[in-house]
Amino acid sequence: AQSVTQPDIHITVSEGASLELRCNYSYGATPYLFWYVQSPGQGLQLLLKYFSGDTLVQGIKGFEAEFKRSQSSFNLRKPSVHWSDAAEYFCAVAVTGGGNKLTFGTGTQLKVEL
Amino acid sequence: SQTIHQWPATLVQPVGSPLSLECTVEGTSNPNLYWYRQAAGRGLQLLFYSVGIGQISSEVPQNLSASRPQDRQFILSSKKLLLSDSGFYLCAWSPTRDVIFGSGTRLTVV
Repeated sequence: AQSVTQPDIHITVSEGASLELRCNYSYGATPYLFWYVQSPGQGLQLLLKYFSGDTLVQGIKGFEAEFKRSQSSFNLRKPSVHWSDAAEYFCAVAVTGGGNKLTFGTGTQLKVEL
Repeated sequence: SQTIHQWPATLVQPVGSPLSLECTVEGTSNPNLYWYRQAAGRGLQLLFYSVGIGQISSEVPQNLSASRPQDRQFILSSKKLLLSDSGFYLCAWSPTRDVIFGSGTRLTVV
């Protein structure tokens, strides 16, 4: 079965600094990969996704992620963090042909210092 | 446009009471529908999955059930709630390969 690991439970960055959130997956083939963001008490908002093709994908709010097959990783990046980016971030994987059923990582809580 | 509605936003229920959470999708037909739960210490977990009317797949053993009486309606139910059913319940749908989530229901069982 597939699994997702987000090694960092909490990350604190200064506003304006760059950000990288790590995500590693375990799956025998190339999965579909997603990043979601969740503000307190809210649902999940899709930031970006990777299905195939170009391994560098652009998302909303200035985020991007790079799929690296050799490292089984799909790390999320942003060049300059804004205070409004403070939230919890979830990486998720869906197996191809599996009905888009998502397996989530445990999440990374991002704090932004002003 | 395609939207997903989920209600209520917050619910406090006593142990042993029944539960009914509703989710509807607009602007699409025959979507895949999902119920997820987010609970402390257990992360986000897929509970039920449906590919069509009356077709429900349970992903984990639990005290809950799901039904899909209409194409764009997905209901999460329980006959008798347990304390362990507390959590944040999220309905989701998949128009293509994206998975879009509703705003969630915070359920507290007391």
